[in-house]
Amino acid sequence: DIQMTQSPSSLSASIGDTVTITCRASQYIGIFLNWFQQRPGKAPHTLIHSAYILQTGVPSRFSASWSGTEYTLTISSLQPEDSGTYYCRQSYDVPKTFGQGTRLEIK
Amino acid sequence: EVQLVESGGGLVKPGGSLRLSCATSGFTFTSAWMSWVRQAPGKGLEWVGRITSNGDGGRTDYAAVVRGRFVLSRDDSKATLDLQMNSLKTEDTGVYYCTTDEGVWGNGTSVIVSS
Repeated sequence: DIQMTQSPSSLSASIGDTVTITCRASQYIGIFLNWFQQRPGKAPHTLIHSAYILQTGVPSRFSASWSGTEYTLTISSLQPEDSGTYYCRQSYDVPKTFGQGTRLEIK
Repeated sequence: EVQLVESGGGLVKPGGSLRLSCATSGFTFTSAWMSWVRQAPGKGLEWVGRITSNGDGGRTDYAAVVRGRFVLSRDDSKATLDLQMNSLKTEDTGVYYCTTDEGVWGNGTSVIVSS
């Protein structure tokens, strides 16, 4: 199975800050990488597909990139509603595997 | 508007069975590849399984921890996705989400396996 190592496991930042979350795949996965946001008590929803493409309706302060097997989600100009847990997931092969999640607290 | 609505969750004893359903609308279900993802209480997301479109063979793949116990199926005439869960274990407890491969999620249905 492809392992997705996500870091950090948690972070705290202030409104207006920029934060970065990273996922590293255990092998080549190309652009088959998604990012999800899960607000407390809610279902996840998709932020990014195909490694860097913003899902329709997602604010442009979310962006993503990759280099080799390292994938990065950047959230700029943090807003209160960005609080929650973020997950990466590879869809290159089954079983699709998720990162462990990053809990983001807005101070 | 694309909608996925899960149902069928509930409380079941270990060893029991439960059938979850996902009613869909707002997109072309017949060509959609569909998955189930679950989340144990206080834990992260875990992929359960996927079914391809019937046009792509209706192939199913499962996570190792559920293979042989869970069965995915689809009814294109009703635009529904089902998850038959057998031989349930306490560790199957969690919220089960229906998702499309295009990234749409339902709101989930809760499954509790407990004696």
